[in-house]
Amino acid sequence: GAVVSQHPSRVICKSGTSVKIECRSLDFQATTMFWYRQFPKQSLMLMATSNEGSKATYEQGVEKDKFLINHASLTLSTLTVTSAHPEDSSFYICSARDQRWTEAFFGQGTRLTVV
Amino acid sequence: AQSVTQPDIHITVSEGASLELRCNYSYGATPYLFWYVQSPGQGLQLLLKYFSGDTLVQDIKGFEAEFKRSQYSFNLRKPSVHWSDAAEYFCAVVSNTGGFKTIFGAGTRLFVKA
Repeated sequence: GAVVSQHPSRVICKSGTSVKIECRSLDFQATTMFWYRQFPKQSLMLMATSNEGSKATYEQGVEKDKFLINHASLTLSTLTVTSAHPEDSSFYICSARDQRWTEAFFGQGTRLTVV
Repeated sequence: AQSVTQPDIHITVSEGASLELRCNYSYGATPYLFWYVQSPGQGLQLLLKYFSGDTLVQDIKGFEAEFKRSQYSFNLRKPSVHWSDAAEYFCAVVSNTGGFKTIFGAGTRLFVKA
């Protein structure tokens, strides 16, 4: 299958600071990328969908000014958690798909801890 | 909107016993269905997927899942569970009319007892 790399795998930041998470497709063109959040012992909830070169589409209830998504190239999307607070601590997972495919491939996830 | 239901929050199975994890989806046309497994603190691993064709899909580790259109189900089975199968299992659906988003069920935590 195709490979999606997410970085960093773990990050700890101070409350009030911003943190950026990268999602890269290593061997295909990711025309669409998805960002998910997973709280402990819960399922993955879709936060937003981004198409290369376009603004991201956010799911209901997700603050677009807090979770900035950039998808400027066919291999890279970034999620920036701005002014992070402890309640933003979570596991963030990205996935990516080529427009020719039905299936998206998932990154390894990023564990964000805000202290 | 499409949704996925996994009615069992957790299941405990004895090692060597058979396993069935239930999954139901709500979607009108033929969905694309997936089972993923997640170990604690880890990312997702794809177990099985169904797009079309043979309604029974299998993997090399002994897992199988069967698509039953009339029941809107895609249950996961394994004839003999190993202790290493203990993990969280997520059923998911993708629809081509939903922007190809992957929608996950709530997950079923599998415990394996010796």
